[in-house]
Amino acid sequence: QQQVKQSPQSLIVQKGGISIINCAYENTAFDYFPWYQQFPGKGPALLIAIRPDVSEKKEGRFTISFNKSAKQFSLHIMDSQPGDSATYFCAALISSGSARQLTFGSGTQLTVLP
Amino acid sequence: DTAVSQTPKYLVTQMGNDKSIKCEQNLGHDTMYWYKQDSKKFLKIMFSYNNKELIINETVPNRFSPKSPDKAHLNLHINSLELGDSAVYFCASSQGPGTSDYNEQFFGPGTRLTVL
Repeated sequence: QQQVKQSPQSLIVQKGGISIINCAYENTAFDYFPWYQQFPGKGPALLIAIRPDVSEKKEGRFTISFNKSAKQFSLHIMDSQPGDSATYFCAALISSGSARQLTFGSGTQLTVLP
Repeated sequence: DTAVSQTPKYLVTQMGNDKSIKCEQNLGHDTMYWYKQDSKKFLKIMFSYNNKELIINETVPNRFSPKSPDKAHLNLHINSLELGDSAVYFCASSQGPGTSDYNEQFFGPGTRLTVL
């Protein structure tokens, strides 16, 4: 059961373009939605995160848009750079007692062409 | 200086063997995790410990046994390795619940396990 669906699987963008990655979730108990960036041979690293009571969050060139009623959220990378080439994972967090469980999307391989 | 470290980075072994992966964090975090990333890069949580107590135990074969000797360490022991265990295993850590809005999980560099 895939609780967080991510698309596209891969994305190729020209330098300076906008990269958009979309995610949808099913479980309304999720209470936080982070995005992680992973470079080859490295562990995932937090990029940006949003709470479900906020519709948009921007940090530099990275913006999360969140639509609670549609149960969808997306990552926008403005002015995409070759150094942004990596795998991006959306995720959703569920909190239960002392447990904090992240469910990840399937990942998007982003390639930014110079 | 690495915040979350894992050893070894690569592990190649035969089917049926028993192996361990070690994880240490120097961030002072209370919660640690093990994730499995398969060949399609899908990341799935396996276990989570908070203050040395097991709090998340996903549907993982009994051959996998985590052990947390203290808050800074979480090791993963795997018995009777199978071909399907080949994957990258990531350790992660975060602050305990209630300490901030979103407890960012910091991931280690991963251990690539290959079972022949």
